[in-house]
Amino acid sequence: GESVGLHLPTLSVQEGDNSIINCAYSNSASDYFIWYKQESGKGPQFIIDIRSNMDKRQGQRVTVLLNKTVKHLSLQIAATQPGDSAVYFCADPSSGQNFVFGPGTRLSVLP
Amino acid sequence: DAGVIQSPRHEVTEMGQEVTLRCKPISGHNSLFWYRQTMMRGLELLIYFNNNVPIDDSGMPEDRFSAKMPNASFSTLKIQPSEPRDSAVYFCASKQGVDEKLFFGSGTQLSVL
Repeated sequence: GESVGLHLPTLSVQEGDNSIINCAYSNSASDYFIWYKQESGKGPQFIIDIRSNMDKRQGQRVTVLLNKTVKHLSLQIAATQPGDSAVYFCADPSSGQNFVFGPGTRLSVLP
Repeated sequence: DAGVIQSPRHEVTEMGQEVTLRCKPISGHNSLFWYRQTMMRGLELLIYFNNNVPIDDSGMPEDRFSAKMPNASFSTLKIQPSEPRDSAVYFCASKQGVDEKLFFGSGTQLSVL
């Protein structure tokens, strides 16, 4: 079946550096992607989304890039801060009505 | 809007007891999802509803688990009898329409002793 997966389970970055979290998807027909952030003790929270008619979308300190050719998307966080420490999930809701998440990437921000 | 509301926030029970988790989705949302999260298995989809109708319950681990959605503003996830391996954080989430973002509740931390 279709799946959403992450390349790296953990990522450690120095405070102030930029972070890049990657995600691969398998359904070439997917046209909508969402990034979530889950802090310890909380539910996943929406960060940013992108539709397939775009290859880049920017938010506040976050940018999502979509490469449909290789079925890959990434989340870039500029000037990473301690508050960015969390698990990040990508989701591909257009693969079906069920909302399936990959394993997530844990981002640790080092002082 | 208050967001997705789950109760209780924490539940500690003994093996064999019945556990009922509750969820109030965001008003106007027509899809509701139940997830279970553990360190070993990550975030697992248990069941989801569209317009109060269960669509896919293939993620429900076994017959001890059941979920209902009697109306658009309330859903329950019941475990009977509970077992220690059911210990996890259970999340409820809701969304409106297809290809829309999912909003999560704060979760219920379940500990079965």
